[in-house]
Amino acid sequence: NAGVTQTPKFRVLKTGQSMTLLCAQDMNHEYMYWYRQDPGMGLRLIHYSVGEGTTAKGEVPDGYNVSRLKKQNFLLGLESAAPSQTSVYFCASWSPTEAFFGQGTRLTVV
Amino acid sequence: GEDVEQSLFLSVREGDSSVINCTYTDSSSTYLYWYKQEPGAGLQLLTYIFSNMDMKQDQRLTVLLNKKDKHLSLRIADTQTGDSAIYFCAERPPGSARQLTFGSGTQLTVLP
Repeated sequence: NAGVTQTPKFRVLKTGQSMTLLCAQDMNHEYMYWYRQDPGMGLRLIHYSVGEGTTAKGEVPDGYNVSRLKKQNFLLGLESAAPSQTSVYFCASWSPTEAFFGQGTRLTVV
Repeated sequence: GEDVEQSLFLSVREGDSSVINCTYTDSSSTYLYWYKQEPGAGLQLLTYIFSNMDMKQDQRLTVLLNKKDKHLSLRIADTQTGDSAIYFCAERPPGSARQLTFGSGTQLTVLP
């Protein structure tokens, strides 16, 4: 039981490049979330999904897209990376009472 | 909208108690959480409390909830160097598709 796994763990992008972050969970959870963490700002919700085939916007969705084609996977895409998207990205999935977090992806956009 | 506030830093001596405070604004929140983040790691759930409770104790951790003042605190007894980390409080409003609103985190430093 791996829990929540994020890939990659680190990435450096040039401005304008695109990439996809993958979140995989093996707990059969319906609810999955993408957050970004910036210094002194806690975690802010980017997008979330309440089930396979569904997605919804969170607090800071601009510049990101998501897809939930399979229940166990939640993908976060950056179509044209900007330096303001330099951050640590966390994925989470929910049991009925508890959120389980991945280890994070540290993304730097230069 | 919801807003969760925490002080950014706290330093304590090893063996002392630590108290990390949090205020929130959504009085209808059903659950309130404390997470711990060690350097380079994800968030680990420490404990949570239902909104109909005033206190919850779990080994060295004590959570106090004052709904009237919308104040949540986490007390760590006999603080150890391994407790050095960032601590986040988070609220979960009802009907929010389990969205959490996080505070900015409190960096706890335990001094020898």
